[in-house]
Amino acid sequence: KAGVTQTPRYLIKTRGQQVTLSCSPISGHRSVSWYQQTPGQGLQFLFEYFSETQRNKGNFPGRFSGRQFSNSRSEMNVSTLELGDSALYLCASSRIQLEPHSDGYTFGSGTRLTVV
Amino acid sequence: GQQLNQSPQSMFIQEGEDVSMNCTSSSIFNTWLWYKQDPGEGPVLLIALYKAGELTSNGRLTAQFGITRKDSFLNISASIPSDVGIYFCAGQLLFGNQFYFGTGTSLTVIP
Repeated sequence: KAGVTQTPRYLIKTRGQQVTLSCSPISGHRSVSWYQQTPGQGLQFLFEYFSETQRNKGNFPGRFSGRQFSNSRSEMNVSTLELGDSALYLCASSRIQLEPHSDGYTFGSGTRLTVV
Repeated sequence: GQQLNQSPQSMFIQEGEDVSMNCTSSSIFNTWLWYKQDPGEGPVLLIALYKAGELTSNGRLTAQFGITRKDSFLNISASIPSDVGIYFCAGQLLFGNQFYFGTGTSLTVIP
């Protein structure tokens, strides 16, 4: 069974550019969540998509956006990149919408974004 | 957002020693999860806890859902070099639709 696939694994961008990251969830998983991981802040929740709808959003500026396609694949976009956006971006999928008794997510290996 | 305080931040132990770490919150959680992250990889689920007082094991790992529902504990017995990594707790509020993560405990095992 294939895991959560994130592409690309590594990315270097220049300040001011925009970037799109991709996440393919485990087959049958319909919920996709995105996290930003930095050494100082840990795992910070960006947003969650389920059935092509954004259900929940963290405290990030509007430069961070996402979408989910009918096959549950998701993309995350960051516009007007800043140096502080350098981080590991993790995608996690789960079978259904998170419910009180959930076994959580399965994470991908992440995309390491470096902004120079 | 919710704040999960995870301690200790880092640990340096000798191979064979036991390890204990914990996670506390100001809010009551309905689910607690423990993850391990290896360098350059995403976190991998180790143990899931769903009921207050629950004690669950996964090999040498044992985790407990605190009675107050505001904390959780992870113990690793007889540590080995492959236990090296960052351990994260995560909690979900009742009827919540996201998980909140602790800041992680970095574990180094000295052979």
